[in-house]
Amino acid sequence: GAGVSQSPSNKVTEKGKDVELRCDPISGHTALYWYRQSLGQGLEFLIYFQGNSAPDKSGLPSDRFSAERTGGSVSTLTIQRTQQEDSAVYLCASSPPDRSTDTQYFGPGTRLTVL
Amino acid sequence: RKEVEQDPGPFNVPEGATVAFNCTYSNSASQSFFWYRQDCRKEPKLLMSVYSSGNEDGRFTAQLNRASQYISLLIRDSKLSDSATYLCVVNKERSNYKLTFGKGTLLTVNP
Repeated sequence: GAGVSQSPSNKVTEKGKDVELRCDPISGHTALYWYRQSLGQGLEFLIYFQGNSAPDKSGLPSDRFSAERTGGSVSTLTIQRTQQEDSAVYLCASSPPDRSTDTQYFGPGTRLTVL
Repeated sequence: RKEVEQDPGPFNVPEGATVAFNCTYSNSASQSFFWYRQDCRKEPKLLMSVYSSGNEDGRFTAQLNRASQYISLLIRDSKLSDSATYLCVVNKERSNYKLTFGKGTLLTVNP
């Protein structure tokens, strides 16, 4: 079946511009996660959705970062007034409602470059 | 102490070798444990979950020592296709499935 998809796959933007990154989770997956991975660094948790609500936003690095999820499906991560340190790969993952597993399925990521 | 700590490597081994990776975690209340694999410029993919009793999947064996807060992954008879970064992953809280990733250990298997 279809996996997690993300768009765009690559995004180059100028410092100060806003960007929107999109994630389409696996159909039926109620949990959705955003992570980012900077060069040479591990994955950094950003935010977690259960359905349309976000019980854990603790990883968002600043108020320039926000995310929403509508219809319990697609999620958008928005970065306002981008800075060079925002350059990273932004990964989305989803997991099924069955609480017997913690497995997360990752999308291919969006590589963001801020010039 | 970092939440999840791994030897970054790189590990360079010949085909057929046995290689072991170790990982330590700081939160004794951690609930579940995994090894993910990440190929260059690709997304992470679950390799295997790690259970207290230890578990094996083909050439891969994972072990968990809760008392020492230590996780290991053993790869036997390594293949060229095993070349990747291996991520140690811990779920601190069962309630929200928030995963904490180590930075990964880079493995290169040479012909």
